[in-house]
Amino acid sequence: DTGVSQNPRHKITKRGQNVTFRCDPISEHNRLYWYRQTLGQGPEFLTYFQNEAQLEKSRLLSDRFSAERPKGSFSTLEIQRTEQGDSAMYLCASSLWVNPNSPLHFGNGTRLTVT
Amino acid sequence: AQTVTQSQPEMSVQEAETVTLSCTYDTSESDYYLFWYKQPPSRQMILVIRQEAYKQQNATENRFSVNFQKAAKSFSLKISDSQLGDAAMYFCAYRSPNFGNEKLTFGTGTRLTIIP
Repeated sequence: DTGVSQNPRHKITKRGQNVTFRCDPISEHNRLYWYRQTLGQGPEFLTYFQNEAQLEKSRLLSDRFSAERPKGSFSTLEIQRTEQGDSAMYLCASSLWVNPNSPLHFGNGTRLTVT
Repeated sequence: AQTVTQSQPEMSVQEAETVTLSCTYDTSESDYYLFWYKQPPSRQMILVIRQEAYKQQNATENRFSVNFQKAAKSFSLKISDSQLGDAAMYFCAYRSPNFGNEKLTFGTGTRLTIIP
């Protein structure tokens, strides 16, 4: 169990640019979640996958955001035409889903700064 | 939609003492799951303890225990014999059992400081 890995750890980009983050879950975990966390706030749900299927997507996720999990392994989160309001920590978590009591295992996050 | 409220933005406790962090939630569901997560300064969130709403017995994990009051929709975390390593942000979270709505909904967190 090597834990959930997120890359890059930090990303600085200019407004209007596209960025892509990667998350490698714990192997054999069938569920993968993306959250966004701003300073002083709790994580806000963005989307989650069961294997390769995207099961739920938050209304927070505008059309500029897209997430994929091809082959049910790693996942990518892309933000197009970044805005300063996108600056946040983006957290990925994975879970071996058995029932709703199954815990999430979080990565260290990717901190995005949009200048 | 479910909401989770943590009314204590910051708390502090003397090392070796006991501290209780409060959490309330709003839901119309009768069955659900509650969690406490810890986020140390290194940022990785770690599960502390979890409780299933249909279980009346309060969950306990070593020095960590909860006081689950279903009627009051309250889910507080008690940390006994506080240690320096307990310093972190603590988040309370709610999960619905309904398929397709199983995301964790987090509160805004409580920053816990341990005073040596």
